Amino acid sequence: AQKITQTQPGMFVQEKEAVTLDCTYDTSDQSYGLFWYKQPSSGEMIFLIYQGSYDEQNATEGRYSLNFQKARKSANLVISASQLGDSAMYFCAMIPPPYFGNEKLTFGTGTRLTIIP
Amino acid sequence: DTGVSQDPRHKITKRGQNVTFRCDPISEHNRLYWYRQTLGQGPEFLTYFQNEAQLEKSRLLSDRFSAERPKGSFSTLEIQRTEQGDSAMYLCASTRTVYGYTFGSGTRLTVV
Repeated sequence: AQKITQTQPGMFVQEKEAVTLDCTYDTSDQSYGLFWYKQPSSGEMIFLIYQGSYDEQNATEGRYSLNFQKARKSANLVISASQLGDSAMYFCAMIPPPYFGNEKLTFGTGTRLTIIP
Repeated sequence: DTGVSQDPRHKITKRGQNVTFRCDPISEHNRLYWYRQTLGQGPEFLTYFQNEAQLEKSRLLSDRFSAERPKGSFSTLEIQRTEQGDSAMYLCASTRTVYGYTFGSGTRLTVV
């Protein structure tokens, strides 16, 4: 079974500062994928970044980067130069090996990020 | 942009009533997922379709829940005899590959 742990229920960050959201995971699979999603108050889950377990380099997407430490089973999200629009819930999620089958996501409990002007 | 659309966005119902939600996935996506998200939690998997076949159901999906995806296009999720514990956000997602996982905006159900 796969498990995602997010230990920060809420964070307050000054605008323009960088922020790191923590995520640790547990799985017995050798192949897996890790996602970060943003959920604003409107409810939709917005894809931010993806890291495959065999990817040697950390994933980056604009202001988002994923600090992937496989031995420690951590996949922290780093947001550089935070903006007011970054205020939202952030979820870390894991996907099982990419067979042609049920690629259901397992989510953590989320971190509520609030950016302070 | 023809993303995943869900209808209705909000539903308030009395305990014991039946409700049905609809999800229209991205047209070329053959896989469709339903998730449930309760307050303060991350989404939890409910069920999965590949084309019109329902291939997996979570233990969270009691006998009061049924999902269909006729002709492999849109999907419906019905909850019979709603209970207050059914109050949640119901999210639909579709995908063709792991990289193309797209969520809808969800249906927020409140059972009073």
